[in-house]
Amino acid sequence: GAVVSQHPSRVICKSGTSVKIECRSLDFQATTMFWYRQFPKQSLMLMATSNEGSKATYEQGVEKDKFLINHASLTLSTLTVTSAHPEDSSFYICSARTAKMAEAFFGQGTRLTVV
Amino acid sequence: RKEVEQDPGPFNVPEGATVAFNCTYSNSASQSFFWYRQDCRKEPKLLMSVYSSGNEDGRFTAQLNRASQYISLLIRDSKLSDSATYLCVVNSDFPNDYKLSFGAGTTVTVRA
Repeated sequence: GAVVSQHPSRVICKSGTSVKIECRSLDFQATTMFWYRQFPKQSLMLMATSNEGSKATYEQGVEKDKFLINHASLTLSTLTVTSAHPEDSSFYICSARTAKMAEAFFGQGTRLTVV
Repeated sequence: RKEVEQDPGPFNVPEGATVAFNCTYSNSASQSFFWYRQDCRKEPKLLMSVYSSGNEDGRFTAQLNRASQYISLLIRDSKLSDSATYLCVVNSDFPNDYKLSFGAGTTVTVRA
């Protein structure tokens, strides 16, 4: 399957700071990338969809000014959690695909802890 | 109603047993179906796609019932390494649109 790399895998930050998470497609060009959040024992919740070169589409209830998404190239998307608070602590996962893919391939996930 | 619903389990089975579980989906327009496996604190990994005629991959068999809007996964001859959470994933309206909906997962624990 296609390879998606996400970095960092784990981050601890102080309240009020910002954290950037990178998602890269290593062996294919991703026209679309997705950002999810997963709380313990819950399903993945889609936060936003980003297409290369255009603004991300955010799901209802997700603050676009708090979760900044940039998809500047066909192989890289970034999610920046701004002014992080403890309630933002979660497992963030990206996935990427090309137009021909029905399935999604996921990055390794980033476990964010805000203290 | 959630778009994808799964029995959360857990299913605790001995090695060598057969375990099966279902997932129901609400959008009748859904076109693509998958089972993903997620290990604790890891990302989901594609286990198998689910085809209309049903399909098998080694010890794993997936079935799709469009009339009743459910898919199933059966694991034969369970191994300890099969212990994981299995996510049912439905892709609505592919290729016209692309939206993955995830179930909350079914936890399977295989014991020695």
